[in-house]
Amino acid sequence: DSGVTQTPKHLITATGQRVTLRCSPRSGDLSVYWYQQSLDQGLQFLIQYYNGEERAKGNILERFSAQQFPDLHSELNLSSLELGDSALYFCASKERGVTEAFFGQGTRLTVV
Amino acid sequence: GENVEQHPSTLSVQEGDSAVIKCTYSDSASNYFPWYKQELGKRPQLIIDIRSNVGEKKDQRIAVTLNKTAKHFSLHITETQPEDSAVYFCAAIPITGTASKLTFGTGTRLQVTL
Repeated sequence: DSGVTQTPKHLITATGQRVTLRCSPRSGDLSVYWYQQSLDQGLQFLIQYYNGEERAKGNILERFSAQQFPDLHSELNLSSLELGDSALYFCASKERGVTEAFFGQGTRLTVV
Repeated sequence: GENVEQHPSTLSVQEGDSAVIKCTYSDSASNYFPWYKQELGKRPQLIIDIRSNVGEKKDQRIAVTLNKTAKHFSLHITETQPEDSAVYFCAAIPITGTASKLTFGTGTRLQVTL
């Protein structure tokens, strides 16, 4: 157990819908990262938050947005879903500085 | 931003042989180089990391080497075992303060055959 919790584990929804994925970081970690991993693909960096503020941005679609709340949990919002958005979405958290990032178990999103 | 290239994309070795995975990076400011292992359907987990002030690090059968001048680093697994079969990801991270764009290489699928 990495200490990073993601909910839900599985999500099935229809095209055009909107979903919210939730991530609770390890206790004390201020940084949260979001990744998308399509079938047999790599880890595509989406966005990083640090203590509630956006710090780095990757190839995140305009239909996707994220935020980090005062209690440090983060949510990734995916809207106008398309079939191609089906993927495993991971969040990771880390302390400040040159340290290991810990991944949650992921949310598997299936768009039908 | 940082661009990390990883080779090979797939690697098949016989049990007991060594495996080497190579990564190159572009940003000379990168100062942290972790390697993650992802088993099928599971989360990526750190197996070894190296900081820019170190040239080599070893942990049992796993070692990582870093050549800052050439901007490349490698993962070496000796005496491979079937449980080493997984996808391995490298990353090169310029960590400055609170911002660290944690970008991974494209991954290497390692298969260890009996």
